[in-house]
Amino acid sequence: DGGITQSPKYLFRKEGQNVTLSCEQNLNHDAMYWYRQDPGQGLRLIYYSQIVNDFQKGDIAEGYSVSREKKESFPLTVTSAQKNPTAFYLCASSIRGAYNEQFFGPGTRLTVL
Amino acid sequence: KNQVEQSPQSLIILEGKNCTLQCNYTVSPFSNLRWYKQDTGRGPVSLTIMTFSENTKSNGRYTATLDADTKQSSLHITASQLSDSASYICVARGNYGGSQGNLIFGKGTKLSVKP
Repeated sequence: DGGITQSPKYLFRKEGQNVTLSCEQNLNHDAMYWYRQDPGQGLRLIYYSQIVNDFQKGDIAEGYSVSREKKESFPLTVTSAQKNPTAFYLCASSIRGAYNEQFFGPGTRLTVL
Repeated sequence: KNQVEQSPQSLIILEGKNCTLQCNYTVSPFSNLRWYKQDTGRGPVSLTIMTFSENTKSNGRYTATLDADTKQSSLHITASQLSDSASYICVARGNYGGSQGNLIFGKGTKLSVKP
C-alpha cells in the first residue's frame, strides 16, 4: 500500500524543547517537502529536498532543521528557536522536477504548552 | 507580488445544491493551477490541474475552469454531498525557475454542506 505517512498525528511540547516530526514515503519519490499551515493562511514552505543528502530552505526555515539521509525519510525538527511553533505541519513528496504533483501526508498537529 | 486570492472565505450550502468557488491569481509567468480538497485535520488531495492552454477540466462532480487572460479560476461543485464539506485550496505554480516549483497557495475556501 503506497503512500506518505506522518507521525505522530498529535504532538505536545513544552516551551524550550526541541521536537522531531516524522515523514516517510514509499512512493519512490525523489523530492520531499515540509509545509506549515496556520488558521486562515495558505501553506508556507519550510524546507524541501530534491535528492538524498541535499535540502534547501523554503520561505520560513528559521527555527527548523531537517535531514535527508534516506530517500524514504525527511524528518523535521522544530527547535526552541522557533518562536511560534504551534501549527499543523504537512509533509509532501513528488517525482523530482519542479512541475510534478505533490502528494501530501495526513499532517501532524503540534501544540506548544 | 505573486499572490493567490480565494473567495468566499467560507460558504454554507444545503445538500444537493451547486456552488462555485473563485480563485484569482497574479503569478507570472504562469505554469499551471491546481485545486486541492482538504478534509479537516488531513492533508490536501488534488482534484484537478490545468495549464494556461486549458479552459475547463472535470473530475466527477467537480469542474474547474481557467481564464488565463483574466487570471481567474473557478471550481464548480454539482449536486453537493455531505462529504464535500472541506476546505478547497487553489494553488498556482509559477514558471520562473527554482527547483521547488514555485507554488503559491491560496488561503482556501471552507465549504460546509448541511443536510
